[in-house]
Amino acid sequence: RKEVEQDPGPFNVPEGATVAFNCTYSNSASQSFFWYRQDCRKEPKLLMSVYSSGNEDGRFTAQLNRASQYISLLIRDSKLSDSATYLCVVNDPTSGTYKYIFGTGTRLKVLA
Amino acid sequence: DAGITQSPRHKVTETGTPVTLRCHQTENHRYMYWYRQDPGHGLRLIHYSYGVKDTDKGEVSDGYSVSRSKTEDFLLTLESATSSQTSVYFCAISEPGSTDTQYFGPGTRLTVL
Repeated sequence: RKEVEQDPGPFNVPEGATVAFNCTYSNSASQSFFWYRQDCRKEPKLLMSVYSSGNEDGRFTAQLNRASQYISLLIRDSKLSDSATYLCVVNDPTSGTYKYIFGTGTRLKVLA
Repeated sequence: DAGITQSPRHKVTETGTPVTLRCHQTENHRYMYWYRQDPGHGLRLIHYSYGVKDTDKGEVSDGYSVSRSKTEDFLLTLESATSSQTSVYFCAISEPGSTDTQYFGPGTRLTVL
């Protein structure tokens, strides 16, 4: 089992749709969780951190489910500009230092 | 945007030649990282640094070495490049104790022929 798993997609959705991605992680001791956005041939950029109580930033909502070891990202009212790959990132609790494990990403295409 | 630059941005080289990639930051962050990104693998850690002259290996460190003589610079060296090292290389920085967030440089696209 991969340490961090994501559905690669692509998720093809019409403008205005709501779409959700999940990401599962294998180590229950992980404490830090993030969603990054990566546009084609660009660097990953932080979209949002994921907090235990869940958090929202505009059209984006992130949730953490520790019991089932997954995090989710919900995008409401999708825009064409949301088309990108979304990376799930989890800290590596085995390393004792600040190291992170990346999922391979979920590709989203928002269609006009 | 965080102040991170990478040089060169693109490089084509031949098998067996040495290559050095540079990451420069202006944020005074303690941690610096080198990743490679390949289709189907996501980002994989090559080496990281937790301070000047303090470095450690990541999961794909074979064939790579690093050096950090100043807080702001982290160099990645391929001693003898191979075609399997053709990839996109990203540098990242973080400052533990704040948000633990990593910020990435723009990447270097390396092709080894």
